Amino acid sequence: AQSVTQLDSHVSVSEGTPVLLRCNYSSSYSPSLFWYVQHPNKGLQLLLKYTSAATLVKGINGFEAEFKKSETSFHLTKPSAHMSDAAEYFCVVSSTGFKTIFGAGTRLFVKA
Amino acid sequence: GAGVSQSPSNKVTEKGKDVELRCDPISGHTALYWYRQSLGQGLEFLIYFQGNSAPDKSGLPSDRFSAERTGGSVSTLTIQRTQQEDSAVYLCASRIRDRGSYEQYFGPGTRLTVT
Repeated sequence: AQSVTQLDSHVSVSEGTPVLLRCNYSSSYSPSLFWYVQHPNKGLQLLLKYTSAATLVKGINGFEAEFKKSETSFHLTKPSAHMSDAAEYFCVVSSTGFKTIFGAGTRLFVKA
Repeated sequence: GAGVSQSPSNKVTEKGKDVELRCDPISGHTALYWYRQSLGQGLEFLIYFQGNSAPDKSGLPSDRFSAERTGGSVSTLTIQRTQQEDSAVYLCASRIRDRGSYEQYFGPGTRLTVT
């Protein structure tokens, strides 16, 4: 069975401060993990993905995520938030032959 | 190249009417997914097609919902006797093949409003 839990429904940061969006997963198989971003009234865009290569994955717009098997986590981080980062972020787990599971989403607010 | 396209982009319908939503996946992608996203909510899985295999319909919320995929390409999601709770954005995504490591590419969605 697979599941994914995004630990925060909302995160609020000030512009220029670090961002941490938390994600825990469970999977009976070696999972692939993804982060997607959805800006208001826009489609879903892939930020980054982990597919059993390097555990630290770099994505677009300065985001990165680290796969920690021992903690079953795949947290998304960015050193310095920008106003344009305000959006909804989804953590996703997928394994071959299984449907993809989306987390409930974390809405990121960035204050000036 | 062309991405996933969906039509219509917006659909307003009266309660009780049937609607059809269309998805054109990226050419060559064998896997196709339908999701529903209600206002302020995450993505709810509806149905999954993979090649010629039987679709995974486990996410369809009721028998009013059905979907088909013709020729392994275009897919149509049909909602019969629409209800107000069906109002949502319906998203389609395709993936090159059924390998977990491949990401899904999403269409822009169809916003359905049932009045």
